Amino acid sequence: AQSVTQLGSHVSVSEGALVLLRCNYSSSVPPYLFWYVQYPNQGLQLLLKYTSAATLVKGINGFEAEFKKSETSFHLTKPSAHMSDAAEYFCAVTGGSGNQFYFGTGTSLTVIP
Amino acid sequence: GAGVSQSPSNKVTEKGKDVELRCDPISGHTALYWYRQSLGQGLEFLIYFQGNSAPDKSGLPSDRFSAERTGGSVSTLTIQRTQQEDSAVYLCASSPDRGKTDTQYFGPGTRLTVL
Repeated sequence: AQSVTQLGSHVSVSEGALVLLRCNYSSSVPPYLFWYVQYPNQGLQLLLKYTSAATLVKGINGFEAEFKKSETSFHLTKPSAHMSDAAEYFCAVTGGSGNQFYFGTGTSLTVIP
Repeated sequence: GAGVSQSPSNKVTEKGKDVELRCDPISGHTALYWYRQSLGQGLEFLIYFQGNSAPDKSGLPSDRFSAERTGGSVSTLTIQRTQQEDSAVYLCASSPDRGKTDTQYFGPGTRLTVL
């Protein structure tokens, strides 16, 4: 069985501050992990993904995430928040023989000027 | 190029009616997913199509839900005898399906409201 938990349904940061969005996963098989972002009035788009290669993954718009097996985590970070980063962020996991993707409940990021 | 499109963008229906939601994937994408996003919930996997293979229906919540994919392209999600708990945003995504690590490209969704 697989699942994802995103701690904090709402996160607020000041412009220029560090962004940290948390994602913990549960998986009985080696996982593939994803972060998707949904900007207002737009569809979800991929930010970055972990596919069992490098544990530190860099994505678009300056975001990165680190796969930590010992902590079953895949937290998303960005050193300096921009106003344009305000969006809903979803963590997802898949793996094994099934076709299902399991998404978290999302974290809404607000950037305060 | 054209992305994934879905229609209608909004659908309001009465309890007990049937509804059809349409998804046009990106041309050439062999994999297609349907998800449901309820208020305050994450995306819930519903069904997966890959080429001409039998679909993975393991996420469909009840037998009132069904989906087809004609000609390996357009897909229709049908909900029969709609209930108020079916109210949600229904998202479609497609991918080239080079494997599980493929990026999924999402449509804008159909917001379904069951009165």
